[in-house]
Amino acid sequence: DTEVTQTPKHLVMGMTNKKSLKCEQHMGHRAMYWYKQKAKKPPELMFVYSYEKLSINESVPSRFSPECPNSSLLNLHLHALQPEDSALYLCASSQGSGGSYEQYFGPGTRLTVT
Amino acid sequence: EDQVTQSPEALRLQEGESSSLNCSYTVSGLRGLFWYRQDPGKGPEFLFTLYSAGEEKEKERLKATLTKKESFLHITAPKPEDSATYLCALNTGGFKTIFGAGTRLFVKA
Repeated sequence: DTEVTQTPKHLVMGMTNKKSLKCEQHMGHRAMYWYKQKAKKPPELMFVYSYEKLSINESVPSRFSPECPNSSLLNLHLHALQPEDSALYLCASSQGSGGSYEQYFGPGTRLTVT
Repeated sequence: EDQVTQSPEALRLQEGESSSLNCSYTVSGLRGLFWYRQDPGKGPEFLFTLYSAGEEKEKERLKATLTKKESFLHITAPKPEDSATYLCALNTGGFKTIFGAGTRLFVKA
């Protein structure tokens, strides 16, 4: 089973709302990732949890806050977002975080900030 | 600075018309080169991993090859269902993976 699940599939939120995106994998992978993808652009890495330790892309604004409750679950908490944060948010997992590991992606959450 | 460049940006083929997609790179230390397929509004789907120059991998109508400076994704006798965006990605160490901008492939019946 190479499935990564994400909920919700679509999310519309106002700039003052707080919401969370959820991701789950049952492949026993020890690294999980959040990516942001704008239309016709490649995915951009936001956060990585490897063996439940967080690594951050320092260009990601603090209105995005990741959480890894356990090795199978990954959340992305959203607060005070801007319209330019509207994008497809992708979760991925891999066996490890080293260079030789391919990533398996979920279907994404389409986020619209109004 | 590590860079990944894919060409062409878009490619239109007739069904059965074979072609190749290119991924050229400049990195300080290649740990793995990955090819993914992405359909509109969906997450990328893993296709291949290549580790060293001279390596080749095949899956159905797709064949990926790697040299020291570039990788090719060869598509033999494509079908309309092969239409998608094909992404090349590199790992240069640790968790950092860099994606190319992708090649949008359109295959017409």
